[in-house]
Amino acid sequence: QKEVEQNSGPLSVPEGAIASLNCTYSDRGSQSFFWYRQYSGKSPELIMSIYSNGDKEDGRFTAQLNKASQYVSLLIRDSQPSDSATYLCAVRSGNTGKLIFGQGTTLQVKP
Amino acid sequence: DTAVSQTPKYLVTQMGNDKSIKCEQNLGHDTMYWYKQDSKKFLKIMFSYNNKELIINETVPNRFSPKSPDKAHLNLHINSLELGDSAVYFCASSQGILPGYTFGSGTRLTVV
Repeated sequence: QKEVEQNSGPLSVPEGAIASLNCTYSDRGSQSFFWYRQYSGKSPELIMSIYSNGDKEDGRFTAQLNKASQYVSLLIRDSQPSDSATYLCAVRSGNTGKLIFGQGTTLQVKP
Repeated sequence: DTAVSQTPKYLVTQMGNDKSIKCEQNLGHDTMYWYKQDSKKFLKIMFSYNNKELIINETVPNRFSPKSPDKAHLNLHINSLELGDSAVYFCASSQGILPGYTFGSGTRLTVV
């Protein structure tokens, strides 16, 4: 079993729709969770971090965490073509700062 | 002003050569990392330094050797390059271990 799993996609949504990206993790002791966006040929960019169960909103982005189900998700409201990218879920492992990444979900937002 | 800068951006070299990648951050962070991203976009940690001390050393071939002369710099030297070393190598930094990283722009290494 992979430590952090994501559906590789592509996930295709029409412009203006809600995109829902999901991630599961295997280490029940994990405490910190991150979403990165990576455009093709570019470096990953941190867009959300979440540490507590529940929802965290930042603009059009909402991160959701359910530690009991070992599940973290990212919702993108009013999706724009500029949101088309690969979204990487990352989970902090242990106390060394090591992030374990999922393989990423490719999102395509169609005009 | 680039926060985390890597050089070179592209590196094409022959099998068996030795090469280095350099990373510098001007964010005042105390922790730096090397990650490898393969052709399937999978990002995997290789090394991490905190204030010049090696704190993460994943299972990578000992042909890879990191070096941190000070907390703002982290270099990666690769000996006897192999075809399988072809990937994008990202440097990243953070202040402490709690927040997420800031990544550099990456070095695309192609071994022919």
